Amino acid sequence: GAGVSQSPSNKVTEKGKDVELRCDPISGHTALYWYRQRLGQGLEFLIYFQGNSAPDKSGLPSDRFSAERTGESVSTLTIQRTQQEDSAVYLCASSLLGGREETQYFGPGTRLLVL
Amino acid sequence: AQSVAQPEDQVNVAEGNPLTVKCTYSVSGNPYLFWYVQYPNRGLQFLLKYITGDNLVKGSYGFEAEFNKSQTSFHLKKPSALVSDSALYFCAVTISGGSYIPTFGRGTSLIVHP
Repeated sequence: GAGVSQSPSNKVTEKGKDVELRCDPISGHTALYWYRQRLGQGLEFLIYFQGNSAPDKSGLPSDRFSAERTGESVSTLTIQRTQQEDSAVYLCASSLLGGREETQYFGPGTRLLVL
Repeated sequence: AQSVAQPEDQVNVAEGNPLTVKCTYSVSGNPYLFWYVQYPNRGLQFLLKYITGDNLVKGSYGFEAEFNKSQTSFHLKKPSALVSDSALYFCAVTISGGSYIPTFGRGTSLIVHP
């Protein structure tokens, strides 16, 4: 069955360049989450979309980070003017309704390396 | 407020022995508790969760966890470890009526030796 997919799987970029990371959630899932996972660290929440509600952007670390979601489908996380500290695995997850008790389904992640 | 702690960065166990991966939490309210597993170069996979009811929760791959309210713990256990259980394990918590965003622990690397 179709799970959460992310692209690209790996991205190497130069400091100062912009990058776009894509997430395709499970069809019918109204909630979508982005997380950052640095080496040896836990998951750091970035942004949460639920249906047509305004996204919860409280986890975005700086104004270089932004994300969009088209309806209840694809989401794009954009990092502008990348810095070396942005190097991490970026994980996307979706859930059916975004409830606090719901299981999240994760994509395989995008491994970003900023040189 | 909500937080979760996984006090061990790494757990080593011999194949066939029982394993325990520890998780404690701190919340203001009723917790919902989750365990996820991450295999190398993969995303997280759901193992089990406690929402309400029976304190002993059984999940995928023979894993189980016990919700202990008095000790604010939700330790992950398996009676007999397999080498294939070697992975990174994450505990997470949300609160009934609280934020929709789960708080994840730092993860525990489980290494099962043949």
